[in-house]
Formats: sequence, structure tokens, C-alpha cells
Amino acid sequence: NAGVTQTPKFQVLKTGQSMTLQCAQDMNHNSMYWYRQDPGMGLRLIYYSASEGTTDKGEVPNGYNVSRLNKREFSLRLESAAPSQTSVYFCASSEDRGPNSPLHFGNGTRLTVT
Amino acid sequence: AQKITQTQPGMFVQEKEAVTLDCTYDTSDPSYGLFWYKQPSSGEMIFLIYQGSYDQQNATEGRYSLNFQKARKSANLVISASQLGDSAMYFCAMRVENAGNMLTFGGGTRLMVKP
Repeated sequence: NAGVTQTPKFQVLKTGQSMTLQCAQDMNHNSMYWYRQDPGMGLRLIYYSASEGTTDKGEVPNGYNVSRLNKREFSLRLESAAPSQTSVYFCASSEDRGPNSPLHFGNGTRLTVT
Repeated sequence: AQKITQTQPGMFVQEKEAVTLDCTYDTSDPSYGLFWYKQPSSGEMIFLIYQGSYDQQNATEGRYSLNFQKARKSANLVISASQLGDSAMYFCAMRVENAGNMLTFGGGTRLMVKP
């Protein structure tokens, strides 16, 4: 039972390079999310997709784009990486958007931008 | 705006003892959910327990229980019979219905279990 799968696990980029973080869930969840976690801090929402075909900005969307490819997959793209985007990125999914629906997280992608 | 506060940056507990991790929240919305997550040193985020704002009873999941005091806006996590594997960061989080249901996190508490 895979749950939420993120790739890659680790990535090092030079400033200005682009990359896409991939995320897939096999729980048939409607909603998917991308968070970032900076050292010693909680998670902050970058973008989310309440359902297939929709995406919305979260708390810290600048410098990122997302694509909800289908119900299973939700990708995060950095068009021109900056050192401030060095962080651990988590993808998550939930059954729905309701306040009683827990998020289930992938194992994270550790990104370093030099 | 919604806010979650965890006032204990770090805590020690002796193995086999119980420990309470504090969480207070701020929202004016009547419909919300409160969650606790565990993040071990390996980095993954593990969902532990959930409490709904309309739930009459405190949530329990195995050795985890949530001490929900609605009037005080607190949702403390109680871990009974601590184990060495409980050493981790613990995050309290909240989803509010009329704020888009986004999951907002507190700053976390690092729990260290001593043998």
C-alpha cells in the first residue's frame, strides 16, 4: 500500500535551473497539496488542488507552478530555482476538503539550490 | 486568521511515563478539525489523531489521546507509556471550514524519550 509517493527524494540545483517534483497517490483522494518545510519550522502550503481540474494558491506560491495531471498525480514545478527555495517539499492528499479529513503525506523531497 | 501555537520547543520524558504536548489554537469559526502529526528524524509526516470541533468526546488512538478543551481553545496530545520510538517532532495542525479548509501547522515540539 504505497499511499503518497514523491520523486525524487533528493535534488541539488544551481540557481536559475528548473525542475519538476512529481507526486502520485493511490488512495483515490480528491484533494492534493504541496507544502514546504524550512529548518525548525512547521509546514507552509504552496499550492493545492481541491479536485481534479482545479488548482489554487496557498500561503507561499511565488516561484512555483503546479499541474493536476489527473486524479492521482499532482506535480510542482520550479521554473527558475533560487537559494530561498532550498527546503524540504511534501506532497499530501486528503479524501476531501472538509475540516475532518486528515492529510496523508509523502516522504518528502529534500531540495538544495546553490 | 487561524493560528496554532505550540509553546514547548523541546521536552524530555522518561521511558514508560506519560507526556502531554501542548497546543492552543485561535479561530472564530465553529467548524474546524484539529490534527496531530509525528515527524521522526527520518523526515516523514505521520498522521496520529484527529478531533472535530463538534465531537463531544476526546479522541483516542492507541497510546495517543487528545485532551480537547474547547472553551480554552486547547488540543493537547497525551502519549501514554512513552517508548524510545516516540522521540520525534510533533506538530499540531488545524483545518477551518470557512477558511478554505487549509491545514495550518504550529511550530512543533521536539520530544525526547530517555531510557
